[in-house]
Amino acid sequence: GNSVTQMEGPVTLSEEAFLTINCTYTATGYPSLFWYVQYPGEGLQLLLKATKADDKGSNKGFEATYRKETTSFHLEKGSVQVSDSAVYFCALNAGGTSYGKLTFGQGTILTVHP
Amino acid sequence: ETGVTQTPRHLVMGMTNKKSLKCEQHLGHNAMYWYKQSAKKPLELMFVYSLEERVENNSVPSRFSPECPNSSHLFLHLHTLQPEDSALYLCASSQGHPESNQPQHFGDGTRLSIL
Repeated sequence: GNSVTQMEGPVTLSEEAFLTINCTYTATGYPSLFWYVQYPGEGLQLLLKATKADDKGSNKGFEATYRKETTSFHLEKGSVQVSDSAVYFCALNAGGTSYGKLTFGQGTILTVHP
Repeated sequence: ETGVTQTPRHLVMGMTNKKSLKCEQHLGHNAMYWYKQSAKKPLELMFVYSLEERVENNSVPSRFSPECPNSSHLFLHLHTLQPEDSALYLCASSQGHPESNQPQHFGDGTRLSIL
């Protein structure tokens, strides 16, 4: 079956530090890959996506590259801010349904200190 | 404004009460979802509706009863819940067929507490 594995958290960083949150996946075919972010007290928001191998998704200074050879979609940001503190979810859509079913990772809590 | 609105934002109820959660999407999507998010557990997909037809029911107890009267509205009817049902319930929508690789859009959730 399809699955997504994220690095265990929580991750604690100082402001302006470099961020990497690892995500690897198992899927049949050629899935679309997503990163979602959940700020305290809110639902999940789409952060970025990539739909084919070697695509790079980017938004708000975050980037992730779809690596088919390593089945990975690691999230990176060069300089984090306190406002980036949130829970980050990696997800995939492996297709095969008419409605876009997502498989989520377990989430990684990020805390950024001033 | 996420385009997906959930009400109420917070709900406290006793185990014998009956209540309903409401979700409305303003995005023109044709698929809607209910998720359960508990502390320290992965996001759990509960139900999926595509074109107003239930297409997934992931072993959810019968005390949760979904209803999708049209493509813009989704309800979750609650009856005789248990303390372990306390969680954040998230609604999402997406543009399904034929663009089934489109992302899901989430509401802010209903925080449910069972006394």
